[in-house]
Amino acid sequence: GAVVSQHPSWVICKSGTSVKIECRSLDFQATTMFWYRQFPKQSLMLMATSNEGSKATYEQGVEKDKFLINHASLTLSTLTVTSAHPEDSSFYICSAESPGGIDTEAFFGQGTRLTVV
Amino acid sequence: DAKTTQPPSMDCAEGRAANLPCNHSTISGNEYVYWYRQIHSQGPQYIIHGLKNNETNEMASLIITEDRKSSTLILPHATLRDTAVYYCIVRVSGYSTLTFGKGTMLLVSP
Repeated sequence: GAVVSQHPSWVICKSGTSVKIECRSLDFQATTMFWYRQFPKQSLMLMATSNEGSKATYEQGVEKDKFLINHASLTLSTLTVTSAHPEDSSFYICSAESPGGIDTEAFFGQGTRLTVV
Repeated sequence: DAKTTQPPSMDCAEGRAANLPCNHSTISGNEYVYWYRQIHSQGPQYIIHGLKNNETNEMASLIITEDRKSSTLILPHATLRDTAVYYCIVRVSGYSTLTFGKGTMLLVSP
């Protein structure tokens, strides 16, 4: 199946700093990518939909100025957590939809474990 | 997108078939049934999807009832590496978002 690569797999940062997470579709072009967040023992929660060449669409309750999303190419989307705080510590996961129309599937990155200290 | 209902947990002996049920009684005619699984501390892995016909691939089989109100994911010979949370999701098209519920925690034991 298609491969989505996410980097880094884990990161520890100090409170107040910013962290950038990259999501790449390695063998297909993805006009749309999705960013999820998962807290311990909870399910994945959609944060935003990233569209190539346009502004991202954020879910209700997700601060767009805090979670900056850039989708500058068909194979790369980035999520920047700005001014990170301990409550932002979580597992962040991206996904990209395989091309082909209505009958497709989404492929996920391996996730990024963010710990803010 | 329609909601799904899954049992919170299931056990299965290694080598036996694991049958994971999913209810989606409000599914619409143009909604597909998708199955993903998430092994601890990894991103979700696509397993299989279908519209109304039964589907099979190298990982699993998907059985969808004729009225499409429920489905069953079958792992024919479960291994310890199949221990994961399995998510059943229905959605309209390849371009709508995946909404994850709580899924079923499948524990495969020796």
